[in-house]
Amino acid sequence: GEDVEQSLFLSVREGDSSVINCTYTDSSSTYLYWYKQEPGAGLQLLTYIFSNMDMKQDQRLTVLLNKKDKHLSLRIADTQTGDSAIYFCAEGSSASKIIFGSGTRLSIRP
Amino acid sequence: DAGVIQSPRHEVTEMGQEVTLRCKPISGHNSLFWYRQTMMRGLELLIYFNNNVPIDDSGMPEDRFSAKMPNASFSTLKIQPSEPRDSAVYFCASSRDGGNQPQHFGDGTRLSIL
Repeated sequence: GEDVEQSLFLSVREGDSSVINCTYTDSSSTYLYWYKQEPGAGLQLLTYIFSNMDMKQDQRLTVLLNKKDKHLSLRIADTQTGDSAIYFCAEGSSASKIIFGSGTRLSIRP
Repeated sequence: DAGVIQSPRHEVTEMGQEVTLRCKPISGHNSLFWYRQTMMRGLELLIYFNNNVPIDDSGMPEDRFSAKMPNASFSTLKIQPSEPRDSAVYFCASSRDGGNQPQHFGDGTRLSIL
């Protein structure tokens, strides 16, 4: 069945780049998404990429998609303390719903 | 533009009581989703509607849970009777067209059943 997997934790030093990785199983996914959840808040759509693209850049965010390996990554350049959050990878499935990963908790150390 | 609006933001009630959570989707969005988030199980899709019709309710945990969408601008999730294990944050999300468009989430209802 459809599944999205990502590591649970990532710790980076302030100012470094963060790379959060994700794998998915549904090869028919049209869109792939990254959501950010800060403590006590809902999921905020960060960015998304259409399945026929390899890369999308938006300011400090870079999304890379390897469709052959079904691998998606989110790179945050110059990571700041405000980037501390849980980041969810998700795929838009053929069944008109989005399948979410379990989330990666990003922590920033000084 | 107003986002997805959920109410109440917090609810604390005793077990056995009926709980009703409310959601107003973004105007023009025709798909609506109810999720539950807990530390143990993460984010779970409970049910989703397309054009006010329930499409997939396989995530609804028990018959104690029910959801309705009487019109395009309002949905409810009801738990009757509530139990302590129902304590969680419940999110509503909406989108223009299911998995082919991004979902926009409300701020959630934090539910505590004592």
